[in-house]
Amino acid sequence: SAVISQKPSRDICQRGTSLTIQCQVDSQVTMMFWYRQQPGQSLTLIATANQGSEATYESGFVIDKFPISRPNLTFSTLTVSNMSPEDSSIYLCSVAGGGRVNTEAFFGQGTRLTVV
Amino acid sequence: LAKTTQPISMDSYEGQEVNITCSHNNIATNDYITWYQQFPSQGPRFIIQGYKTKVTNEVASLFIPADRKSSTLSLPRVSLSDTAVYYCLVGDAYNQGGKLIFGQGTELSVKP
Repeated sequence: SAVISQKPSRDICQRGTSLTIQCQVDSQVTMMFWYRQQPGQSLTLIATANQGSEATYESGFVIDKFPISRPNLTFSTLTVSNMSPEDSSIYLCSVAGGGRVNTEAFFGQGTRLTVV
Repeated sequence: LAKTTQPISMDSYEGQEVNITCSHNNIATNDYITWYQQFPSQGPRFIIQGYKTKVTNEVASLFIPADRKSSTLSLPRVSLSDTAVYYCLVGDAYNQGGKLIFGQGTELSVKP
């Protein structure tokens, strides 16, 4: 298993500003994932963060808006840039359980972002 | 990736058995079926995973028919604390690079 800590747990931000969300894992992992969960909606994958290489973004998400850092095997950050009210969501960090059979993933508690 | 279809919501009462069915007509040979539970203000939590037939753990059972085009998550004797959103995911973690694709989920409400 993996324990994931996210900071901050919640924040209220002014439009036009940026927020950086931190994700710390208690073990070394190759890949970390960032998801967005808009109010009342399901989770949508933003990007995959690999240590030592640039993040891979899903369709509809771009690096300029959601820059990601992955400085080591236990840590990653997601920045939500130039925020607008439409960015109000819960942002979740996740790691995979690994292996072909085990698709168990572990999630942080999420960061609840409100943009005003 | 196989698309999943689940009921948007379900209601139940404490002590009842709840069965949530997920349809995944386009499931691929290498795909596994995995269910996650999400409480408000928390990240999803793994419940159970299976490939075929039946899987049971301390939390739930998962029934998968021979054609694998659907699956049913069974929660025995639910309590108020089982109120959550339940997601059915279908995929092959190895070939998907660990990525998870979530469908809409089923919001289960357990009443006293």
